[in-house]
Amino acid sequence: DTGVSQDPRHKITKRGQNVTFRCDPISEHNRLYWYRQTLGQGPEFLTYFQNEAQLEKSRLLSDRFSAERPKGSFSTLEIQRTEQGDSAMYLCASSLQMAGGNTIYFGEGSWLTVV
Amino acid sequence: AQTVTQSQPEMSVQEAETVTLSCTYDTSENNYYLFWYKQPPSRQMILVIRQEAYKQQNATENRFSVNFQKAAKSFSLKISDSQLGDTAMYFCAFMKPNDYKLSFGAGTTVTVRA
Repeated sequence: DTGVSQDPRHKITKRGQNVTFRCDPISEHNRLYWYRQTLGQGPEFLTYFQNEAQLEKSRLLSDRFSAERPKGSFSTLEIQRTEQGDSAMYLCASSLQMAGGNTIYFGEGSWLTVV
Repeated sequence: AQTVTQSQPEMSVQEAETVTLSCTYDTSENNYYLFWYKQPPSRQMILVIRQEAYKQQNATENRFSVNFQKAAKSFSLKISDSQLGDTAMYFCAFMKPNDYKLSFGAGTTVTVRA
């Protein structure tokens, strides 16, 4: 069990460019989540996958954001036409669906700076 | 929507001393889950402790314990015998039963002084 891994850990991009983040969840975890965290704040939910199905998207996820989880394994989060307001840490997390509630495990996050 | 409030932006504690972090939440649910997560500087967020609302007994994990007051909707974290490695941001989080989303508070930065 290597934990949730994210790549890249840091990304600096110019406004208007597209960026893509990858997340590899803990193996056998069927649930995968993306959260966004800005400095001094708690993470905010963006979207959630059960296996390969994207079951919920937050209002925070504008049309410029798209997430996929093909084959129910790794996931990608793409941000198109980045804006300065997109600068944040994007956290991926995973869990195993089970009775009695599930514990969510986080990756180290991908820092995005839009200049 | 559930609201989680952490009223202490920063706390400082001497090594080996005890510090208590406060957390309150607002919900109409009777059953739910509460969590404390630790996020060290530039490092991964890890689960510290978890509490099920239907359990009256307060959860304990080594030096970490909670004081869960359901009627008051309060969920404080006590760190005993503080160590330098406890320096981190601590987040209180809430999850409804049969749900998958965590609602986080704004966090409390804890600094342990040598």
